[in-house]
Amino acid sequence: QQPVQSPQAVILREGEDAVINCSSSKALYSVHWYRQKHGEAPVFLMILLKGGEQKGHEKISASFNEKKQQSSLYLTASQLSYSGTYFCGTEGFSGTSYGKLTFGQGTILTVHP
Amino acid sequence: NAGVTQTPKFRILKIGQSMTLQCAQDMNHNYMYWYRQDPGMGLKLIYYSVGAGITDKGEVPNGYNVSRSTTEDFPLRLELAAPSQTSVYFCASSIQGVGGNEQFFGPGTRLTVL
Repeated sequence: QQPVQSPQAVILREGEDAVINCSSSKALYSVHWYRQKHGEAPVFLMILLKGGEQKGHEKISASFNEKKQQSSLYLTASQLSYSGTYFCGTEGFSGTSYGKLTFGQGTILTVHP
Repeated sequence: NAGVTQTPKFRILKIGQSMTLQCAQDMNHNYMYWYRQDPGMGLKLIYYSVGAGITDKGEVPNGYNVSRSTTEDFPLRLELAAPSQTSVYFCASSIQGVGGNEQFFGPGTRLTVL
């Protein structure tokens, strides 16, 4: 099942902070975060694994609540370059969900000067 | 390294025509994926491969076929194109399965079926 992202859209001024959430109805093995600019391919930001391991972007942080099957992406001191659509991709533990990502519908982030 | 490359970048098909979308990677990655992205939506997995000769269906495989004869190439075949297949198609690769490994995406192929 597709994870649900919130909010659907965020508008910020440079320097402001934002949080994007990703919720799943199934137990998760990993959560991936990608950013996509208009007309371009998604670009990797962060991976969060069950057990607390994280890999990713130095200036972007994220959390993974395994009990609630939720992840949050924290964008601090936003820059104009942060504008784009943010997608979470979730991987389950077993069966057809393991080894593959199911992506959320995306959160559109716009940063103004 | 070129990373993940896709051809063509754009294509217009008529209903009922067939075509092959090409994807190649030069990173010696084992896993390769095909996604489609409809306007304003997220990515949906069509097919994926864990290595040469091994492929499996994703979420939306109907109307598509794949093959993986080499580690580098993973073409996607559209048979009998339909307007519902109008979309942007992304190929991606990762060194192993997604668990702790990022996916690298190609630039995409924008397909319109009229």
